Amino acid sequence: DAKTTQPPSMDCAEGRAANLPCNHSTISGNEYVYWYRQIHSQGPQYIIHGLKNNETNEMASLIITEDRKSSTLILPHATLRDTAVYYCIVRVAGGGSNYKLTFGKGTLLTVNP
Amino acid sequence: NAGVTQTPKFQVLKTGQSMTLQCAQDMNHNSMYWYRQDPGMGLRLIYYSASEGTTDKGEVPNGYNVSRLNKREFSLRLESAAPSQTSVYFCASSEALWAGGPAKNIQYFGAGTRLSVL
Repeated sequence: DAKTTQPPSMDCAEGRAANLPCNHSTISGNEYVYWYRQIHSQGPQYIIHGLKNNETNEMASLIITEDRKSSTLILPHATLRDTAVYYCIVRVAGGGSNYKLTFGKGTLLTVNP
Repeated sequence: NAGVTQTPKFQVLKTGQSMTLQCAQDMNHNSMYWYRQDPGMGLRLIYYSASEGTTDKGEVPNGYNVSRLNKREFSLRLESAAPSQTSVYFCASSEALWAGGPAKNIQYFGAGTRLSVL
């Protein structure tokens, strides 16, 4: 699975959009981008995934650049409850030994009132 | 809809004691996993079960055993606890191990068991 690079921390004001970047310059054509988050003392929570098109669900939007070397997770209206560590994971789906999730250090997003 | 339920939430053991961590999912998932998370570190896979009746070692299986009791339940046993096993343990499940496309590989996690071994 491709390696990812994320900033260690970011701040965001409550009610504003939070834009979390992820660099995955070595991504392969069959690798998906997944985002999870872990709120303090809780289990990781799936947010969204995508291959090359932008994706949106009830939690967030995922923007993947055309060359697929980077992506941005967007929380449109951040709340205090969105304070968490956000993990960008790149993995092959549908084949290979990708059964385990490899969490890096992620980005600690702090939403401030 | 409970999702993935882990019991107990907290446990303190003495070195050498044994215990079993329980995990159950109600999403009719085929695959289940046990991870541990140590302070400042990412998740490490201990064991996984691709489907009912099968189990396989992950990255850090030493000192642990697992049982896939049925499709819903996947337990993790520490036969003789050691201080190095102090950690937070997470159980997860997914519809499939790797086949069927990206949505089927999404892992859903329980709230964790915080274990201290003295």
